[in-house]
Amino acid sequence: EAQVTQNPRYLITVTGKKLTVTCSQNMNHEYMSWYRQDPGLGLRQIYYSMNVEVTDKGDVPEGYKVSRKEKRNFPLILESPSPNQTSLYFCASSTRQGWDTQYFGPGTRLTVL
Amino acid sequence: GIQVEQSPPDLILQEGANSTLRCNFSDSVNNLQWFHQNPWGQLINLFYIPSGTKQNGRLSATTVATERYSLLYISSSQTTDSGVYFCAVEKYSGAGSYQLTFGKGTKLSVIP
Repeated sequence: EAQVTQNPRYLITVTGKKLTVTCSQNMNHEYMSWYRQDPGLGLRQIYYSMNVEVTDKGDVPEGYKVSRKEKRNFPLILESPSPNQTSLYFCASSTRQGWDTQYFGPGTRLTVL
Repeated sequence: GIQVEQSPPDLILQEGANSTLRCNFSDSVNNLQWFHQNPWGQLINLFYIPSGTKQNGRLSATTVATERYSLLYISSSQTTDSGVYFCAVEKYSGAGSYQLTFGKGTKLSVIP
């Protein structure tokens, strides 16, 4: 089954404790991205990747890092989480031709205390 | 950056009614997509529609790129249509990069 998986689905952590949210897709997609969703603000793009070892900033990259060492994985790293990073995070992937149909993961709800 | 405005922000429908959701964008775009987020948070792509009209069952979408808007039509609405509908536009930003910008969504509630 074609899918995008994210882990963990829920996470409560404390300020400053490094964390990683994993994202994996099994569709051999070249494009992957991370979004955060906040009430009243919709979805905002954090980072995206066009291929292995090729990443670029989206609209709200501050406080986040990403890596793309393998085509199927695109982890989101918060080196020193802060309460303003409390949000719902989505990973997405799509084929090479522009963004085409975006497939979204189930979401990760992160709370930073 | 590009601005994406959706209207109305909230919509309540009686089951069986029809509705039209609108998406306006501030600049020329390469593509446009409509998504549905169900009440459990799952995001599903509905249409990938840079221009023209597409239909999928009770849903259809029309994009008029030259006038910078898109419309999503829902006919004979059902309670399962409830959720938030997002419009997202794609703009080529150079060197093979595409960025996707979302509107803030239209929250639809269909009541029996």
